[in-house]
Amino acid sequence: SQQGEEDPQALSIQEGENATMNCSYKTSINNLQWYRQNSGRGLVHLILIRSNEREKHSGRLRVTLDTSKKSSSLLITASRAADTASYFCATDLVAYQKVTFGIGTKLQVIP
Amino acid sequence: DTEVTQTPKHLVMGMTNKKSLKCEQHMGHRAMYWYKQKAKKPPELMFVYSYEKLSINESVPSRFSPECPNSSLLNLHLHALQPEDSALYLCASEGSQSEQYFGPGTRLTVT
Repeated sequence: SQQGEEDPQALSIQEGENATMNCSYKTSINNLQWYRQNSGRGLVHLILIRSNEREKHSGRLRVTLDTSKKSSSLLITASRAADTASYFCATDLVAYQKVTFGIGTKLQVIP
Repeated sequence: DTEVTQTPKHLVMGMTNKKSLKCEQHMGHRAMYWYKQKAKKPPELMFVYSYEKLSINESVPSRFSPECPNSSLLNLHLHALQPEDSALYLCASEGSQSEQYFGPGTRLTVT
């Protein structure tokens, strides 16, 4: 089964608003990563947060990690139509040699 | 060069055909991955090569045969596929913190 579960599975907002997506996982991680995928294209790595970090910023992206709750959130501020995509969290698990992807959140930003 | 390239972009093949998908990266990454992605689903890991050796095979049917000729190249040989194998096939290489760099994918249709 997929390690990460994103919430919500779909989100529709107006341009300029903030978008928040959440990811929960079940076992210990080395790090957690967020990716974006435009329709039918390859995934793009957005940001990585290590297990000993609590918050990280990159441009309009803010990621938080709460290892006690086994959850992470991705905040996109001042959203743009070009942010319309699917967003996946991926966990690098301590116990395994692979990165496991969650089910994703489909974000639609309406101009 | 931070790009992963994949060829072809699109492939239509019959169930008796033999074809190959190709992937190339020049970032010096030592681990490369094949993923299969169905519509509205997350990427599903198929194979991992580490230092040119197959390290993970996620119980993939033998009609898919991976090959890593050198540290920059990864092939996926296809033979006697089924219509349900139609999907987006993604190649990725792994950076120093297990972040994945994806190619644009090959859209495969099996008729």
